[in-house]
Amino acid sequence: GDSVTQMEGPVTLSEEAFLTINCTYTATGYPSLFWYVQYPGEGLQLLLKATKADDKGSNKGFEATYRKETTSFHLEKGSVQVSDSAVYFCALSAGGYNKLIFGAGTRLAVHP
Amino acid sequence: SQTIHQWPATLVQPVGSPLSLECTVEGTSNPNLYWYRQAAGRGLQLLFYSVGIGQISSEVPQNLSASRPQDRQFILSSKKLLLSDSGFYLCAWGRPYGYTFGSGTRLTVV
Repeated sequence: GDSVTQMEGPVTLSEEAFLTINCTYTATGYPSLFWYVQYPGEGLQLLLKATKADDKGSNKGFEATYRKETTSFHLEKGSVQVSDSAVYFCALSAGGYNKLIFGAGTRLAVHP
Repeated sequence: SQTIHQWPATLVQPVGSPLSLECTVEGTSNPNLYWYRQAAGRGLQLLFYSVGIGQISSEVPQNLSASRPQDRQFILSSKKLLLSDSGFYLCAWGRPYGYTFGSGTRLTVV
C-alpha cells in the first residue's frame, strides 16, 4: 500500500544553519504531497504542498520539490530559527476521499 | 468563517470507562472528516473517516468507534477504555488544498 518514510530524528541544529529533512514515498498513481508542522501541544498545520511532479511548494522560508523520479519530497530551509523547533510530518494524499497518509514525523530542535 | 473545533483538550480516564470526543466544523457543508491518533513519539494513524451523515469507514480494528449524527459533527467513542487507547487524538477536515486539523485531545488512560 501507499506509505511515507521520513528520516528519523531528532534533528538538532544551531540557529541560522541549513535544514534538510528527507521524505520518500511509495504510491500507486500520482499523489499530492504535503508537509505539516506540529508545535508543542498543538494540532498540525499545513506548511506547504505540491500536487504534481516538479512542483515546488514553499512557505515561511521552507521549500520542497516533488521529485517523481526519486519519489521524494525533501523539506529544506536555508536558515533555521529557534521558533522553527517543532515536529515535521511528510504526507501524501492518494486514492479516494482525500485520505492522508503520514510519515512518522521528524523532531527538529534549533538552539540559539 | 470556516473553523474546526475539538474538545476536550485534555482528558484523564480510568481503564474501563467510556469515552466521547467531539469534533464540529463551521462554515461549510458536507465536509470529509477524519479521526487520527498519535501515540507518544509516533506518527499519525488514521482511525476513521466520514464522507457524510451516518457514513463511517474504519481503517484499523480497535476498541474505538465513530459516529456522524449531523453533517458537521464527528464523534469518537469507546465503551470501555484500554491503557493502549492513550494518545493524542486529532480531528481533521479534508479541504481541497489539504487538511485543517483541530487542536487535539490528549487522552491519558490510567
